[in-house]
Amino acid sequence: QITLKESGPTLVKPTQTLTLTCTFSGFSLSTSGVGVVWIRQPPGKALEWLTLIYWDDDKRYSPSLKTRLTITKDTSKNQVVVTMTNMDPVDTATYYCAYTNLKTDKTGGAIDYWGQGTLVTVSS
Amino acid sequence: DIVMTQSPDSLAVSLGERATINCKSSQSVLYRSNNKNYLGWYQQRPGQPPKLLIYWASTRESGVPDRFSGSGSGTDFTLTISSLQAEDVAVYYCQQYYTTPHTFGQGTKLEIK
Repeated sequence: QITLKESGPTLVKPTQTLTLTCTFSGFSLSTSGVGVVWIRQPPGKALEWLTLIYWDDDKRYSPSLKTRLTITKDTSKNQVVVTMTNMDPVDTATYYCAYTNLKTDKTGGAIDYWGQGTLVTVSS
Repeated sequence: DIVMTQSPDSLAVSLGERATINCKSSQSVLYRSNNKNYLGWYQQRPGQPPKLLIYWASTRESGVPDRFSGSGSGTDFTLTISSLQAEDVAVYYCQQYYTTPHTFGQGTKLEIK
């Protein structure tokens, strides 16, 4: 059974750096094809894809946020960490981590499993 | 970035009736070497994370009721709910995973008429 859980601060101040951790179980991030993705959703708004890390340490970023995001993995701890610098009130959102698998005999990159999300508020 | 545009933004359908949601991508998401459309549909109920309904544009995820179906190819896609049930009230999103960033549509809110 695949599960993912996001953890981190619920409140950050403008200009601070946000660090979120995704702790997962039921899969290994060293398995070929597997990836962990971060997506956010401002209150009442649409989903926004942020960043993705694959089993081979290939990292992808949203071009609009690339300069502010860093994603890393710790395979031994079953964790993925994302940092976002220079936080602003417009970054207030629920942040989700999720599982994906590139294999074409799986979903090929669709997002199969989602964490419950963590609401991060940016306010002074 | 590939821009995903859904229509309509909101939709009200009577119980038992058909609901149709459209999704258009700004460029093709059909990978010709395997003839697969890299397009997924998700359902998000209030207060919940999204749930994958359809992948490869038309393959239902395990456990998804067969009243949900996906169709289309290239740049134009459709999610159809054949007979709306009360539990289908949600926001529906399409997503392309052809190339990163794996962009989402703006969402379609489905309500009961």
